[in-house]
Amino acid sequence: AQSVAQPEDQVNVAEGNPLTVKCTYSVSGNPYLFWYVQYPNRGLQFLLKYITGDNLVKGSYGFEAEFNKSQTSFHLKKPSALVSDSALYFCAVRDRGQGGKLIFGQGTELSVKP
Amino acid sequence: GAVVSQHPSRVICKSGTSVKIECRSLDFQATTMFWYRQFPKQSLMLMATSNEGSKATYEQGVEKDKFLINHASLTLSTLTVTSAHPEDSSFYICSANSEGYNSPLHFGNGTRLTVT
Repeated sequence: AQSVAQPEDQVNVAEGNPLTVKCTYSVSGNPYLFWYVQYPNRGLQFLLKYITGDNLVKGSYGFEAEFNKSQTSFHLKKPSALVSDSALYFCAVRDRGQGGKLIFGQGTELSVKP
Repeated sequence: GAVVSQHPSRVICKSGTSVKIECRSLDFQATTMFWYRQFPKQSLMLMATSNEGSKATYEQGVEKDKFLINHASLTLSTLTVTSAHPEDSSFYICSANSEGYNSPLHFGNGTRLTVT
């Protein structure tokens, strides 16, 4: 079965510092991996995806993620955090065998302090 | 970009009544839509996959008679919570697929259901 795990419930960083939100995956075959962000009482906004190709993927709002096949990881990164980045972040894998549903990690709450 | 509209954004209903939530793809056709449920500060739990013109596929443990899903057109799926109870209070989010599996799903803004 396809799954993703986010080992940290919460990540705290100071504004201007780099941030990393961790994600590991377990899939059969090549993974289709996604990162989404959720602000309070809102739906999910797409940040970036990895399908194939370059292991470093750049996305919206200055975020990027690095696909590491040997470590089965897809960590989300940003060189310089903003207070407005504070939100709930979800890593997800697309299950191509079951109608294309997205399977989400547990979510990581990012808090960026001034 | 692809937009998914979900309505209502917030609803309060009395125990025993039914509530309908609509999910519309505004600028694309969606043969498949997904309904998720989310508890506070938790992950999204897939409830069902809605397929246009056919019956929805429910995840294990989700009562199909309680959570009725209809996907009558390529731009509209509805979720009806029947005979709602306080434990059904939650945040419900729909999403739709505009392209293939290597494309992101597009999400509505969610519906906050409170059953009193």
